Amino acid sequence: EVQLLESGGGLVQPGGSLRLSCAASGFTFSSYAMSWVRQAPGKGLEWVSSFSGVGSTTYYADSVKGRFTISRDNSKNTLYLQMKNLRAADTAVYYCAKGIQLWFGGDYWGQGALVTVSS
Amino acid sequence: DIQMIQTPSSLSASVGDRVTITCRATQDTSNFLAWYQQKPGKVPNLLIYGASTLQSGVPSRFSGSGSGTDFTLTISSLQPEDVATYYCQKYNSAPFTFGPGTKVDIK
Repeated sequence: EVQLLESGGGLVQPGGSLRLSCAASGFTFSSYAMSWVRQAPGKGLEWVSSFSGVGSTTYYADSVKGRFTISRDNSKNTLYLQMKNLRAADTAVYYCAKGIQLWFGGDYWGQGALVTVSS
Repeated sequence: DIQMIQTPSSLSASVGDRVTITCRATQDTSNFLAWYQQKPGKVPNLLIYGASTLQSGVPSRFSGSGSGTDFTLTISSLQPEDVATYYCQKYNSAPFTFGPGTKVDIK
């Protein structure tokens, strides 16, 4: 059974940093692309960042480029999102998602981690 | 960047009705188009991928069609448990943009 468990969310002041983790199990983690998707309160889904399964290609939404860094540790079956210079607009539930077949998108999603940026 | 346009933004239909939601991409997505259902307070759930392939475990009343830039999600007979917001997403190349969502409720 595929399981994704996010951790690391919380309250942070504007300009602060936070690192999210997504622990994966139930599939061959290293073979799949992984993504972070966020949802601000009462808003729609916003793609944030993805990491390819093959190779080490990373992708970022313009809204987070230069502030967020996605990484993965295949030995630990864990995906990360390092977030720096956080803004109020980054307040959201952050989901990690496993790629569809060998592509991007998300066929399995974690329960989400709430990040609140506020003073 | 490619934009994903969903219509309508919301709809209200009766139980048993056929419901259609449209997603239009501003550039060809090569059929790498997914549909998700998100019930209130819940995690998004993949319904359709590759524009028309039903994800395992999803009821057969859901179907997807289309190619290139124009796609459709159809619920053949709306059920009370289908109350949710539905999103399309392109996943062929970055940015992997979502549509703004279509909120479906029961009349």
